[in-house]
Amino acid sequence: GDSVTQMEGPVTLSEEAFLTINCTYTATGYPSLFWYVQYPGEGLQLLLKATKADDKGSNKGFEATYRKETTSFHLEKGSVQVSDSAVYFCALYSGGGADGLTFGKGTHLIIQP
Amino acid sequence: KAGVTQTPRYLIKTRGQQVTLSCSPISGHRSVSWYQQTPGQGLQFLFEYFSETQRNKGNFPGRFSGRQFSNSRSEMNVSTLELGDSALYLCASSSDGLRETQYFGPGTRLLVL
Repeated sequence: GDSVTQMEGPVTLSEEAFLTINCTYTATGYPSLFWYVQYPGEGLQLLLKATKADDKGSNKGFEATYRKETTSFHLEKGSVQVSDSAVYFCALYSGGGADGLTFGKGTHLIIQP
Repeated sequence: KAGVTQTPRYLIKTRGQQVTLSCSPISGHRSVSWYQQTPGQGLQFLFEYFSETQRNKGNFPGRFSGRQFSNSRSEMNVSTLELGDSALYLCASSSDGLRETQYFGPGTRLLVL
């Protein structure tokens, strides 16, 4: 079945540092890839997505590129802020069945001022 | 537009009881999916309903069931509750299915004693 692997953290960075959260996946066919974010006290929300190889999703200064050759979708941001502190989930959808929307375990990111 | 709502927000049950959770999607959305979130297993897909039909089902026992009504509202039922069913249950809606952006509700936190 489908699976997503990401570092769980917590990952602690200083404000303005460069962020990378690694995400690799196993899936059949050509999945759509997503990053969802859960801010403290809020519900899960979509951060960005990519639907085919070499697509780059971007939002709020975050970027991730769909790399089919390395089955990866790493999340990056050039300069993080305290307000970026949250839990980040990498997810994929490959077309249904028992896997549905498959999530990684989530990465807890803490940004210190 | 109102977001996804879930009721109740908190629930305490005892082993062997059954429970019904409710989810009201964003107006116009026809797809509703359910997830179980626990510290150990993370976010796991339960099932997806689209226009009153179950379209995808995750690897959960038959004690977990759901349905969707003609107004797209969905209910999830868990029978013969076990301690391990304690979790945050999230529902999400989208216009057309799991490949689209999912809009998540705040969740129902279930505690089984």
